[in-house]
Amino acid sequence: DTGVSQNPRHKITKRGQNVTFRCDPISEHNRLYWYRQTLGQGPEFLTYFQNEAQLEKSRLLSDRFSAERPKGSFSTLEIQRTEQGDSAMYLCASSPAGETQYFGPGTRLLVL
Amino acid sequence: AQSVTQPDIHITVSEGASLELRCNYSYGATPYLFWYVQSPGQGLQLLLKYFSGDTLVQGIKGFEAEFKRSQSSFNLRKPSVHWSDAAEYFCAVGSHSGNTPLVFGKGTRLSVIA
Repeated sequence: DTGVSQNPRHKITKRGQNVTFRCDPISEHNRLYWYRQTLGQGPEFLTYFQNEAQLEKSRLLSDRFSAERPKGSFSTLEIQRTEQGDSAMYLCASSPAGETQYFGPGTRLLVL
Repeated sequence: AQSVTQPDIHITVSEGASLELRCNYSYGATPYLFWYVQSPGQGLQLLLKYFSGDTLVQGIKGFEAEFKRSQSSFNLRKPSVHWSDAAEYFCAVGSHSGNTPLVFGKGTRLSVIA
């Protein structure tokens, strides 16, 4: 059990560019969650998957955001046409169904 | 709607002193409650959780928390703080079914002085 991993750890991009983040959950965890954390705030839910099915999306997830979890393993979060307001830490977590969520180290995004 | 309130934005304690971080929640049913800790630039590490049973739960690093249903509280305590405990602490609430994501408080930043 190597824990939840996220790549890249840091990303700097220019406004208007697209970015993609990857999350590898703990093996055999069928639930995977994405959260966003801005400075001085707690994590806020974006979306989550059970296996490959995306079960819920937050109102925070605008149409510029898309998430996938092909084959129910790793997940990607893409942000199109980035804006400065997208600058945040993007956290991924995984869990067995209905149990404790374990978080990855996060991807810190800076949009210039 | 679920919500979590952490009334203290920043707390400073002396090394060796006791610590209590407050957490109040609003939830329509029996909650799952969690405390996570976050060091600067890092992800969240689980300290402890309450699902059911004994209302005093023990966690890692010498932390404990007590669930008080009548007060809708889940305060985190440690009898003697170490300098390495300096970090951001987040309280979170979830559902028993696990079908809803966690709702976090805004966090309490702990500073430890010599």
